[in-house]
Amino acid sequence: TQLLEQSPQFLSIQEGENLTVYCNSSSVFSSLQWYRQEPGEGPVLLVTVVTGGEVKKLKRLTFQFGDARKDSSLHITAAQPGDTGLYLCAGIRNTGNQFYFGTGTSLTVIP
Amino acid sequence: KAGVTQTPRYLIKTRGQQVTLSCSPISGHRSVSWYQQTPGQGLQFLFEYFSETQRNKGNFPGRFSGRQFSNSRSEMNVSTLELGDSALYLCASSHLPGTGGSSYNSPLHFGNGTRLTVT
Repeated sequence: TQLLEQSPQFLSIQEGENLTVYCNSSSVFSSLQWYRQEPGEGPVLLVTVVTGGEVKKLKRLTFQFGDARKDSSLHITAAQPGDTGLYLCAGIRNTGNQFYFGTGTSLTVIP
Repeated sequence: KAGVTQTPRYLIKTRGQQVTLSCSPISGHRSVSWYQQTPGQGLQFLFEYFSETQRNKGNFPGRFSGRQFSNSRSEMNVSTLELGDSALYLCASSHLPGTGGSSYNSPLHFGNGTRLTVT
């Protein structure tokens, strides 16, 4: 089983809709990062959250780190076709020094 | 500055052969990590090098090995290839290695990967 579970695994929505992607674990993380990967490319960092309860906004994207630092969510408002891609959460546990990646959420935004 | 460069982009090998993949990190980055990405397993950590030393190793068989040179460039080698080794191999560099318990961890900068197909 993966240390970080993401849901949903696949998401196909119409342009203009809102969506939320979840990243959950039973472990505590020092920090958590979100990446987006487009076909044929490597993942690109979107944001890093470090404090429990922290909320960060990046234009139409809102990221939240759970109070207990075990989970995170990514909310996209008014999705656009350019948001299409694979969204990955990643973190380092409080104990240890290895990055763990989530199972990924493949998002398709239909024009 | 230039991003992470991985070569080659595509590789086709047959079972039993060996392969070497190369990764040039962003200038100034001393940590290099390798990941295997497959549709079924997602991104799986292979190993991480910092200043020519392997800091961490994932749960992969000994057929997977790597090294880092004094200029921070890294190579990974897979011997006795199996069909299941077909995957996208991603290299990521960062300024500092990850540290558990620290509120700051350098972001990973990924290359575009090497697509390995084993037939």
